[in-house]
Amino acid sequence: EPEVTQTPSHQVTQMGQEVILRCVPISNHLYFYWYRQILGQKVEFLVSFYNNEISEKSEIFDDQFSVERPDGSNFTLKIRSTKLEDSAMYFCASTTEGRNNSPLHFGNGTRLTVT
Amino acid sequence: QKEVEQDPGPLSVPEGAIVSLNCTYSNSAFQYFMWYRQYSRKGPELLMYTYSSGNKEDGRFTAQVDKSSKYISLFIRDSQPSDSATYLCAMSSNAGGTSYGKLTFGQGTILTVHP
Repeated sequence: EPEVTQTPSHQVTQMGQEVILRCVPISNHLYFYWYRQILGQKVEFLVSFYNNEISEKSEIFDDQFSVERPDGSNFTLKIRSTKLEDSAMYFCASTTEGRNNSPLHFGNGTRLTVT
Repeated sequence: QKEVEQDPGPLSVPEGAIVSLNCTYSNSAFQYFMWYRQYSRKGPELLMYTYSSGNKEDGRFTAQVDKSSKYISLFIRDSQPSDSATYLCAMSSNAGGTSYGKLTFGQGTILTVHP
């Protein structure tokens, strides 16, 4: 079964550094999402992306965050200047269509540790 | 009032027991209801998906949605040790486009099934 692939599985960075988290969504999917999960807390929506632009973003997704689909397969999340509170699991997700017969498929996440 | 509430447990049951997991919500706009299973340090894996009210059965799993009470349930029959995981309820509205994939998650219930 096709799956969403995320790299790296674990990223350690120093506060203030830029990080790029990478995702390869399922090939025929058109809608892309990033979620995060701080340890012990809920999975939270960050941003949705369709047709090469952001559709919706949460309050968490401030100017330090950006997303990009640089080619036909990759979908990236960039954090420009990381803070300690950015430490979390970051999940990429995708779906074929924004309708009720295409549930969201998640990757296994990138664990980001900011020191 | 939190938008989605889920008892985090932990819940511990013997093998073969029937497990009942529940979530309540406050947002009347939610139309799509999902249950995900999450193993430690993995991404959420879709178990069940329901649109609007009603029941849905898939093998040992049954999902129920009662929109009048804003209450959803997941039942696991003949529970197995391999069912031990965190179970997340999630829901979204029908605003169209990428809003379908903008999920609001519950806290997650930690389930352990003992042999």
